Parts: sequence; structure tokens; C-alpha cells
Amino acid sequence: AQTVTQSQPEMSVQEAETVTLSCTYDTSESDYYLFWYKQPPSRQMILVIRQEAYKQQNATENRFSVNFQKAAKSFSLKISDSQLGDAAMYFCAYRDTGANSKLTFGKGITLSVRP
Amino acid sequence: DTGVSQDPRHKITKRGQNVTFRCDPISEHNRLYWYRQTLGQGPEFLTYFQNEAQLEKSRLLSDRFSAERPKGSFSTLEIQRTEQGDSAMYLCASSLHNANTGELFFGEGSRLTVL
Repeated sequence: AQTVTQSQPEMSVQEAETVTLSCTYDTSESDYYLFWYKQPPSRQMILVIRQEAYKQQNATENRFSVNFQKAAKSFSLKISDSQLGDAAMYFCAYRDTGANSKLTFGKGITLSVRP
Repeated sequence: DTGVSQDPRHKITKRGQNVTFRCDPISEHNRLYWYRQTLGQGPEFLTYFQNEAQLEKSRLLSDRFSAERPKGSFSTLEIQRTEQGDSAMYLCASSLHNANTGELFFGEGSRLTVL
């Protein structure tokens, strides 16, 4: 079974600085999707960034980028120029590309942004 | 259609009572998922549907839980004889099968408190 591990329960970053959130996963599949989702307090979970395992190039979405290390099964999220609105829980998630299409989530990390 | 909607947003009930949650997915999405999230944890998969067919159920889904999607549109999740351990946020998500993104779109959740 696939597992996703986020070992840091909390992190803090100064506004305008850069922070990296870590994630590792375990799978025997060669092709899959990896995601970072953001869950602000009392609000719905939204997708931050997505990576297909067959792509070697790291995904980037504005201030958000990933460091995808397939051999190491590592998938970290870098947030540049942190903003107060980035404060939230962040979840790393894995999904097969096959028929079994459910997302498997890590436990999440609470990110706080200091003004 | 503005997204996945869930009702009610909050439910407080006494132990032993039955509760039902409703989820309306994004209209063109044929896959619908239910997840459970307890405080400080990542969402845990419960079950998912493709159209009206329930394709997978987690072992977390005890026989007190039942989910339906009778016409392949909205879905209901019923919990019978609630227990205090059922207190959690119940999240619904939807997706389009065969979409290349692999992304799930989440609702805001239904928070259950069992007294």
C-alpha cells in the first residue's frame, strides 16, 4: 500500500522569506501523481501544485515550486516570498494513475507566517 | 456551478442518533469521494463512486456507515448509531474520470460532533 509521510508537524516562516515543506512517500508504481494541497482554517482544501512522476522537470506555479526526487521518493514544496495568506495546513498527497484513483494523504504540516 | 457543496456544514448530535450528510459534486464530474478528517490529521479515504456505482470502500467504513449515489449526481453518507469516535470532518471530493490532471476538487466539509 502506498504511504505518505510528513514528519514536520509545524513550521514557521517570516513574511517574504522562503520555506520548504518536506514529504516522502512509498510506492511500487513507476507512474503516479503527487500533489500539495492547502487547507486554510475552516475553508476547503485547494490544490497548490501537481507533479506527474514521469516528468523529470519540477513543477512550478508562481511562488510555489517542488523538488521531486523520484529515486529518493521525496517531494518537497518550496514557497518563495511567503505571504500572510499562505498560513494554512499543507498536505502532501499521492495518487496512482491506474483505476484505483483515490488520493492518499500525509498527516499535514501547519505553516504559520510571521509578519 | 461553483464547486463541490456539502450540507450541513455542522452537525451536533447525541450518541446513538443517526446522521446524514449530502454532497453535490461539480456537475460534469463522474467520480465522487468521501474522506474523513480528524483534528490535526490528514484526510482518510472512506469510499468512492463512479457514476452510481460504489467502486471501493475502506475498512474504516464500518457497517454503521452507508453511502449512496442513486442517480450518479449527488451522494449521501449516513452514519447510524453514532459514537463519539465518529466526531470528525467529513469531506467530499469529485473528479472527472480520465482527466489528465488527476486532481480531486474538495468541498468545505461537514463537521460532525457526537456528544
